Amino acid sequence: ETGVTQTPRHLVMGMTNKKSLKCEQHLGHNAMYWYKQSAKKPLELMFVYNFKEQTENNSVPSRFSPECPNSSHLFLHLHTLQPEDSALYLCASSQEGLAGDEQFFGPGTRLTVL
Amino acid sequence: GENVEQHPSTLSVQEGDSAVIKCTYSDSASNYFPWYKQELGKRPQLIIDIRSNVGEKKDQRIAVTLNKTAKHFSLHITETQPEDSAVYFCAAGDQAGTALIFGKGTTLSVSS
Repeated sequence: ETGVTQTPRHLVMGMTNKKSLKCEQHLGHNAMYWYKQSAKKPLELMFVYNFKEQTENNSVPSRFSPECPNSSHLFLHLHTLQPEDSALYLCASSQEGLAGDEQFFGPGTRLTVL
Repeated sequence: GENVEQHPSTLSVQEGDSAVIKCTYSDSASNYFPWYKQELGKRPQLIIDIRSNVGEKKDQRIAVTLNKTAKHFSLHITETQPEDSAVYFCAAGDQAGTALIFGKGTTLSVSS
């Protein structure tokens, strides 16, 4: 699949579990993003990485830990989550880490925390 | 920081009618206003955007207008079709900055 891919597509985890979400972009972009999408809420920006460096951390709890080993891959490590963290987690990429660039979204990971 | 309000939250129209979705923003430094469409079960995709040096932009049946003085911008869809049914998100940001702030979304339903 071209564009932005995310795995897994669905994840169910308990509050004591540790899991990771993976995002990969095949567009040659330099910036990658994590968003949280909950019902009836705006898309919430969580993290921005530009050339592998984190440029934005939108007051996200430490139970979410991002990792960007290179410009094509982005991970979100999850640890001791709460039920209210259940949401669709979307990854996106853009050419540069600028708000004026078009962002290309992945299909998302539907996370359920029991 | 920036705050984006989007109205209405749901909109139902008949096929062929026009649909208008409105957004307001708070930060006068914002100069980039994209609109994303998210079909059911699919990823958001950019459909049109406008930058603060223009007041209106049109692409076939879709148009966006911007009023910087009043800090609001709107999406206009004419001759709606069932495939226009989706959730539409507006966003605002400083195009030289790193963060886009999104509205809550509008669920548009077009019935035939």
